Amino acid sequence: QQQVKQSPQSLIVQKGGISIINCAYENTAFDYFPWYQQFPGKGPALLIAIRPDVSEKKEGRFTISFNKSAKQFSLHIMDSQPGDSATYFCAAGEGGTSYGKLTFGQGTILTVHP
Amino acid sequence: EAGVVQSPRYKIIEKKQPVAFWCNPISGHNTLYWYRQNLGQGPELLIRYENEEAVDDSQLPKDRFSAERLKGVDSTLKIQPAELGDSAVYLCASSTRRRTSGADTQYFGPGTRLTVL
Repeated sequence: QQQVKQSPQSLIVQKGGISIINCAYENTAFDYFPWYQQFPGKGPALLIAIRPDVSEKKEGRFTISFNKSAKQFSLHIMDSQPGDSATYFCAAGEGGTSYGKLTFGQGTILTVHP
Repeated sequence: EAGVVQSPRYKIIEKKQPVAFWCNPISGHNTLYWYRQNLGQGPELLIRYENEEAVDDSQLPKDRFSAERLKGVDSTLKIQPAELGDSAVYLCASSTRRRTSGADTQYFGPGTRLTVL
């Protein structure tokens, strides 16, 4: 069962543009929503994360927007740079006895053209 | 601070052969995770350890996969026998448990790319 759906699968943006990646989830037990960035040959690295008690979180050029009622969240990359070219994964985490367990989306391959 | 270390980085084996992956987590991290990442997909959790205890192994195919974390530090994931469908990147991650501040950041190693021929 695909609990976290991510779109688009791939995205091409010009340098300086805005990159937007969307995710939707089904399990209302999720209470932690991180985004990971992965470069070829490397493991995923945490980029930014949000909890459902806020609707937006910004760190530098990266912003997460969260819509609890719609069960959707998105990553916005402002002023996209060629160095941002990577695969981005959204994820959702649970609390309680499943604390620490992350369910990942399928990933978005972002290409930023100079 | 050293990150999560995994070895080997690459492994090519014939089907039905055994294979083992090793992970050394970040010092002081009591939680350790093994994930499998198929090509073009996100990581999928196989097993999670709290110290030396496997607290979530519901996604581990126990007929052929086994894991251990002796002394609550290093961990080994084994597949015996390997099948063609096991070809994937096997990722190890670690984190510290903060009971008061919500979910922990998981730090991933570079992974082991397994190819089963």
